[in-house]
This record gives sequence, structure tokens and C-alpha cells, in this order.
Amino acid sequence: DQQVKQNSPSLSVQEGRISILNCDYTNSMFDYFLWYKKYPAEGPTFLISISSIKDKNEDGRFTVFLNKSAKHLSLHIVPSQPGDSAVYFCAASGDSNYQLIWGAGTKLIIKP
Amino acid sequence: NAGVTQTPKFQVLKTGQSMTLQCAQDMNHEYMSWYRQDPGMGLRLIHYSVGAGITDQGEVPNGYNVSRSTTEDFPLRLLSAAPSQTSVYFCASSYWRLTSGANVLTFGAGSRLTVL
Repeated sequence: DQQVKQNSPSLSVQEGRISILNCDYTNSMFDYFLWYKKYPAEGPTFLISISSIKDKNEDGRFTVFLNKSAKHLSLHIVPSQPGDSAVYFCAASGDSNYQLIWGAGTKLIIKP
Repeated sequence: NAGVTQTPKFQVLKTGQSMTLQCAQDMNHEYMSWYRQDPGMGLRLIHYSVGAGITDQGEVPNGYNVSRSTTEDFPLRLLSAAPSQTSVYFCASSYWRLTSGANVLTFGAGSRLTVL
């Protein structure tokens, strides 16, 4: 069973507009949620994280929102830039189990 | 700082051959791990280590061995390669402690393995 799901394999957004990437999870014991970005032929790089005690975390153009009741988190990128074109992975872990559980990724394409 | 270095970047094996994927980090990270990435799937944990001399299995350990004799190195051994092991392999490390919250991993660039 997939504990972390990214239901959109791909997303296309116009440059300058907002990109919203979604992630759903099933395990209510998850305490930390992370977003990673991956370019082709490179390893994933950490983008932003959020603790389950918060509902929002912001870092520059990137904001992550957490809705615990819906078991849903989203990553907002505003404004979207061509360099944001990449695959975005959502990952989660429990406080007592530091292993990350990963979603399948969403490929974001920013159109000029 | 080199970060996490993986070698080789590409490898083609025949079924039944063995090989070792190398991983080294220069950040003095205690935690190291190996993942595989397959199309349409998230990263899956193969093996991990929380310090020199300590290793444990992840989600998909069958067909792989690891050892951790130093803090810096964490090689992944394929004992008898099978076509199902065709994948992209990532090594990752972190300065993780039980009290430090999220386990923020630093990844290597990946090793693409094809088993014929």
C-alpha cells in the first residue's frame, strides 16, 4: 500500500503563474513532511519541509501547506520560473521512525 | 566540499555477475542509505546505516549487501545481478539525530545500472 501518493504524474504551468503540487498520505503518525526537487541525471535536492505541528512553512518562492485532517499537503511555487521545471517528490517520516516514505513524483513543466 | 560521491555513473552487467556501487561522503554524516528509483515509483530504501559498523535492511534488501567500516564509505554490493535490479541507484546521507527532527538527506548524483 502506498502511504504517500502524488496523484499527478505531470503538471504544466505558464511561467510567472503559481504552480501547486499535491501530496496525500495515509499514515496519521507521520510527523515530518519534505519536498525534494530532482533534475535529470542528478540526485534529488532538498527543497522545504514542514513539521506536523505547523500548517504552513514558507521559504522564498516556495510555501508548503499541511492539512492534517485531510492528510494532504501541497507545495506552492510563486512565481514559477523556467528553472523550476523538474520532478518534485513528496516524502514523509514519523518522529520515532526516521526513514522517509516517498511519493512517486510529479514532473513540473514551466512553459515560457 | 564534494558532498556525496557515487561511482560508477553507468554500468551494464550480465545476469549473474556481481559488482559494487561505491558511495563516499565528506560531511561526517552518521546516517547513510541506498535507494533505488524505478519508473512510476518513489524512491525505495534498500539498506541504511546509522554509523560505522551498524547496518540494517530497508524496504527492498533482497539481492543486495552493504557494509560500513568507516563513517565516509557505504558500498552497495549486488551479489548475483538479475534483470529486476535494472534501476537508478542513489546513495544519500544526513546528519540525523533522534532529536533533530526531519531526516534531511543529501543525495549523490546516482548510478544507472542495466542488467541484461
